Amino acid sequence: GEDVEQSLFLSVREGDSSVINCTYTDSSSTYLYWYKQEPGAGLQLLTYIFSNMDMKQDQRLTVLLNKKDKHLSLRIADTQTGDSAIYFCAESNNAGNMLTFGGGTRLMVKP
Amino acid sequence: KAGVTQTPRYLIKTRGQQVTLSCSPISGHRSVSWYQQTPGQGLQFLFEYFSETQRNKGNFPGRFSGRQFSNSRSEMNVSTLELGDSALYLCASSRADTTDTQYFGPGTRLTVL
Repeated sequence: GEDVEQSLFLSVREGDSSVINCTYTDSSSTYLYWYKQEPGAGLQLLTYIFSNMDMKQDQRLTVLLNKKDKHLSLRIADTQTGDSAIYFCAESNNAGNMLTFGGGTRLMVKP
Repeated sequence: KAGVTQTPRYLIKTRGQQVTLSCSPISGHRSVSWYQQTPGQGLQFLFEYFSETQRNKGNFPGRFSGRQFSNSRSEMNVSTLELGDSALYLCASSRADTTDTQYFGPGTRLTVL
């Protein structure tokens, strides 16, 4: 079955770049997503990438996809304290709108 | 455009009771999916509805059920509540009938005592 894994925790200083990593196993994944969850809130879609792309940039966010290694990363440039949250990667395949999530990476940004 | 709305935001129930949660998708979105989030199991897919039909189902017992109405609004029901059903229940909507970007609501926090 599908499996998505992330490291549990990342701590960075304000102004530095953050890189959150994710690995997945389903080779039929078509979309890969990054969501952000703040305490007590739902999931906010940050960005997504099609499986036929290698990179996508959206303002401070850069997503890199290595299909061969089934590795996805999210880079946040100039990380701010407001970026402190849990970040989830998720994948979906052609079976419809069913997302498989990683366990989430808690990002802590220190002033 | 209004986002995904879920009601109620918080619920407290006791074991053995049943509960119904509601989700209104973004206008124009026809697919609604439900997820359960717990500290132990993380985010798990419950089911997805498209055009009033259940299209996908996760690995949950039959106590968990759902439906979708002609206006795309969806409800999920949990019968005979157990302590382990305490969770944040998230609803997501998307436009298309195939894999598409999903937008999540704020969730309903269910506590079972």
